[in-house]
Amino acid sequence: QVQLQESGPGLVKPSETLSLTCTVSGGSISSYYWSWIRQPPGKGLEWIGYIYSIGITNYNPSLKSRVSMSIDTSKNQFSLKLSSVTAADTAVYYCARGGGAAVEFDYWGQGTLVAVSS
Amino acid sequence: DIVLTQSPGTLSLSPGERATLSCRASQSVRSSYLAWYQQRPGQAPRLLIYGTSSRAIGIPDRFSGRGSGTDFTLTISRLEPEDFAVYYCQHYGDSLYTFAQGTKLEI
Repeated sequence: QVQLQESGPGLVKPSETLSLTCTVSGGSISSYYWSWIRQPPGKGLEWIGYIYSIGITNYNPSLKSRVSMSIDTSKNQFSLKLSSVTAADTAVYYCARGGGAAVEFDYWGQGTLVAVSS
Repeated sequence: DIVLTQSPGTLSLSPGERATLSCRASQSVRSSYLAWYQQRPGQAPRLLIYGTSSRAIGIPDRFSGRGSGTDFTLTISRLEPEDFAVYYCQHYGDSLYTFAQGTKLEI
């Protein structure tokens, strides 16, 4: 059973960079697409972007200028960086398997709340 | 960009009843690119249906999906207490993955 777990700071200051890591267990990170999806409190879901196991990325155009993703297959981890954050970036951030040719998201992490506040 | 709109926003039903949730796209979409998720309070979304009508692993057969073109439906044949949650449809197109705003299914 594939499991995903997000980790990272729960509080980030405005204008700084949000950094999260997702650790995948129960299966290999190779040969799959991996995505980040966020959900502001009380609101809907927004896809942030995906990374393929060989490092190919695709980002949501609305966030593209501030997003970068990386992957470390030796650690079965992939990461998200979101720069120049504002209060509007406060959300629960989920990592999930899916993206690219896999158009649905079949495994999700439990999510981690990141608040942007001074 | 394709916009997905779900209706109703909130659906009030009782256990044992049948629920029908709608997802409408602003333009025709590929059926293979339409999925449904369930999100219970405090939990991550869970994939229910992919490719419009295929149930994900472990999903009970009381959940079914159908549709084509711009109109898609998720049906729960007999509601169980654990089915009361928020449901989202999701689409892939033009290298973008979009979710609708959700339907809250409440008792």
